[in-house]
Amino acid sequence: ETGVTQTPRHLVMGMTNKKSLKCEQHLGHNAMYWYKQSAKKPLELMFVYNFKEQTENNSVPSRFSPECPNSSHLFLHLHTLQPEDSALYLCASSQVPPAGYRSYNSPLHFGNGTRLTVT
Amino acid sequence: LAKTTQPISMDSYEGQEVNITCSHNNIATNDYITWYQQFPSQGPRFIIQGYKTKVTNEVASLFIPADRKSSTLSLPRVSLSDTAVYYCLVGDLGMDTGRRALTFGSGTRLQVQP
Repeated sequence: ETGVTQTPRHLVMGMTNKKSLKCEQHLGHNAMYWYKQSAKKPLELMFVYNFKEQTENNSVPSRFSPECPNSSHLFLHLHTLQPEDSALYLCASSQVPPAGYRSYNSPLHFGNGTRLTVT
Repeated sequence: LAKTTQPISMDSYEGQEVNITCSHNNIATNDYITWYQQFPSQGPRFIIQGYKTKVTNEVASLFIPADRKSSTLSLPRVSLSDTAVYYCLVGDLGMDTGRRALTFGSGTRLQVQP
């Protein structure tokens, strides 16, 4: 999937480190999302950005801090993580019609994720 | 949130047709039905989407009965490379049920044997 690019692909960090995950979409979409996928668990929606505005924060701990500077870029800033935060972090994008206006339903387009290991 | 129900796992052999059914009894009038495929350590990939009746693309077919309370993803002549987890989601990103269109369940793990 070249439409959504995530970097880095792998990241190992200590619990006191600060790092950032980056996502870029080349599809002209207006919404972007962060998901977390732990081993043998379903994908968990973390954050939703529609038109660069955060519209959902799915009870995510404050050690995860998202940033969406424009409709093509999304970051996830990490600090003082815990070992249980080790997971595959996935970014997705889609085209969302204005609220209440239903003309199509764009599916989600995912990147290949960042495999995060917290030691 | 309304829930979708799929079999946890399925087994098949190369060359066979595989049908995976998803139940969504509480589907709303505006909801679409969307299927994704996920390989290990990769993001899910969109396969097919439909609203009613039958939809076909180069990868799969989607059958939706008139009451829309279920849907069946049909994969013709599977190969080893079709071994993956398949997810069924219902919702409409532009409407109140948008949250459901973003919610993944446990999916169906398809194992294709030679």
